[in-house]
Amino acid sequence: EAGVVQSPRYKIIEKKQPVAFWCNPISGHNTLYWYLQNLGQGPELLIRYENEEAVDDSQLPKDRFSAERLKGVDSTLKIQPAELGDSAVYLCASSLGQGTDTQYFGPGTRLTVL
Amino acid sequence: AQTVTQSQPEMSVQEAETVTLSCTYDTSESDYYLFWYKQPPSRQMILVIRQEAYKQQNATENRFSVNFQKAAKSFSLKISDSQLGDAAMYFCAYRTGANSKLTFGKGITLSVRP
Repeated sequence: EAGVVQSPRYKIIEKKQPVAFWCNPISGHNTLYWYLQNLGQGPELLIRYENEEAVDDSQLPKDRFSAERLKGVDSTLKIQPAELGDSAVYLCASSLGQGTDTQYFGPGTRLTVL
Repeated sequence: AQTVTQSQPEMSVQEAETVTLSCTYDTSESDYYLFWYKQPPSRQMILVIRQEAYKQQNATENRFSVNFQKAAKSFSLKISDSQLGDAAMYFCAYRTGANSKLTFGKGITLSVRP
């Protein structure tokens, strides 16, 4: 069974540029998560989807971050414009449903903002 | 607010020996779950072991076991017969029964000496 797929794996951009990350969850997983992991820290939740609905986006900086999960499968996380402090690893995870079971993580996208 | 504390930033163990990684958490909830995740360098995070708070029996997965002390809010991971492939960053994480948001500790870097 394929795991959570993320792309790109690495991205280098200049500040004020836009950037987008893509995530394909494990087949059949209704719940999808985006986490932010700063260097030397544990991941922190940005947003959680139950199917197409964003049910927890309280930690998403909505002035520059946006996310979507069309058709309840793939998801895209966007930053516009990027700032130096956005340099981090962006992790996507998925779980079967209702958000009450084990979360499986993708390899992450390492973003560097210059 | 729930917090997870991993006070040891680094640990080292000799190959084939046993090592224990510490984790404490703070919560007022009675229904929750605890996890240990492993994150090898530049590789994705994988679940090592999980423990349901309502279960008194400590979870075990092959060479990995936990010491869950609910009253002390302590959740340590024991790795027996350490192998070179165990070298990674280990994160302790917490989730309530009602909310699937994972709260992570800062992680501990484990090195294995051959």
